[in-house]
Amino acid sequence: KNQVEQSPQSLIILEGKNCTLQCNYTVSPFSNLRWYKQDTGRGPVSLTIMTFSENTKSNGRYTATLDADTKQSSLHITASQLSDSASYICVVSFILTGGGNKLTFGTGTQLKVEL
Amino acid sequence: DGGITQSPKYLFRKEGQNVTLSCEQNLNHDAMYWYRQDPGQGLRLIYYSQIVNDFQKGDIAEGYSVSREKKESFPLTVTSAQKNPTAFYLCASSLQGIASGNTIYFGEGSWLTVV
Repeated sequence: KNQVEQSPQSLIILEGKNCTLQCNYTVSPFSNLRWYKQDTGRGPVSLTIMTFSENTKSNGRYTATLDADTKQSSLHITASQLSDSASYICVVSFILTGGGNKLTFGTGTQLKVEL
Repeated sequence: DGGITQSPKYLFRKEGQNVTLSCEQNLNHDAMYWYRQDPGQGLRLIYYSQIVNDFQKGDIAEGYSVSREKKESFPLTVTSAQKNPTAFYLCASSLQGIASGNTIYFGEGSWLTVV
């Protein structure tokens, strides 16, 4: 069964600190992995997309890594800000038999940044 | 501004009533999607459309219906057959189908509550 598991479920950090969110998946055959940021009550916003051949990708203070061998990804947030408080969702795309892709969503890590 | 517009933001449905959620995009994207988000669960695909006048069922299509008469519009009807419709509904679009590198853009979501 194709699954995406994220950890921790929730996290509280102080402003200015760094943090790392984890994503493990069992999706196969793998196509790409995406990280989204979702503010409460709003739609998700894309942070990064990585394909099989990419090990790392950055978007400002967000850096995603991918280890396709161990089926693990991480999202590192540097110098956190209060506006980083949100849910971070890992999404893995797999290739369907007969063509096309399908997305499997993780349940998200709820991050809270405090003063 | 380019993007995806969902309306209404909040909607209340009485038992036995059908309601329609609107989704409009001006990104000139071919593919559009409807997802449902429940607390503690990952997003689940209801319906998707890769081209005008064509749409496919997702993982939880029962009790829902859609139409794609225009490229920019993909309304979702929640019928009385949907027994547990209270959720946050997200519309999304992408340039083409879910393929490597295609960013998926989400709307701001619609909250549906059964009263």
